[in-house]
Amino acid sequence: GQSLEQPSEVTAVEGAIVQINCTYQTSGFYGLSWYQQHDGGAPTFLSYNALDGLEETGRFSSFLSRSDSYGYLLLQELQMKDSASYFCAVKGTGFQKLVFGTGTRLLVSP
Amino acid sequence: EADIYQTPRYLVIGTGKKITLECSQTMGHDKMYWYQQDPGMELHLIHYSYGVNSTEKGDLSSESTVSRIRTEHFPLTLESARPSHTSQYLCASGRAGDNEKLFFGSGTQLSVL
Repeated sequence: GQSLEQPSEVTAVEGAIVQINCTYQTSGFYGLSWYQQHDGGAPTFLSYNALDGLEETGRFSSFLSRSDSYGYLLLQELQMKDSASYFCAVKGTGFQKLVFGTGTRLLVSP
Repeated sequence: EADIYQTPRYLVIGTGKKITLECSQTMGHDKMYWYQQDPGMELHLIHYSYGVNSTEKGDLSSESTVSRIRTEHFPLTLESARPSHTSQYLCASGRAGDNEKLFFGSGTQLSVL
């Protein structure tokens, strides 16, 4: 099976930088994804890492270390609108399924 | 902009009723999924489909059933709703070979009284 662990909550102030970690255990690994979900909204895709290293997309970056079964999402120049839940996800056994982590609630204050 | 639609957005029904949650996508995606999510909690996969006439159960046991008669349509049915079915149901789709990027619908918030 698969399991993913994330911190339950992270707080930060506007303009700051925050890192959300994700550790995973899976029998087969095809990549780590990140999704953002605002309260009452649907998850939206943020980034994907198949190889080790850092992927940058605007204010958001995502990092993967396959040897450590670990990744993180880095959010820079935080804005109030970044307050949301963030989920990491991996392809599960059977290849076709995407399994989500427990989610991290990010609270950005003024 | 994702073109995946779920109806109804909200549904309140009594115990024992049969319901069908609708999900349609216009992107021609082969893969479709149903996730169940309680407030502030993780998403649990309950059903998925590789394509027409292909459906599989997910990791979370569910009393619901699905069908995939057309590529664009992936409805979920509860034959007899119970209060334990109260939850948000999210439908998603993705291209074959690109499972990492899923497009989600707005969800159906189901309340069973």
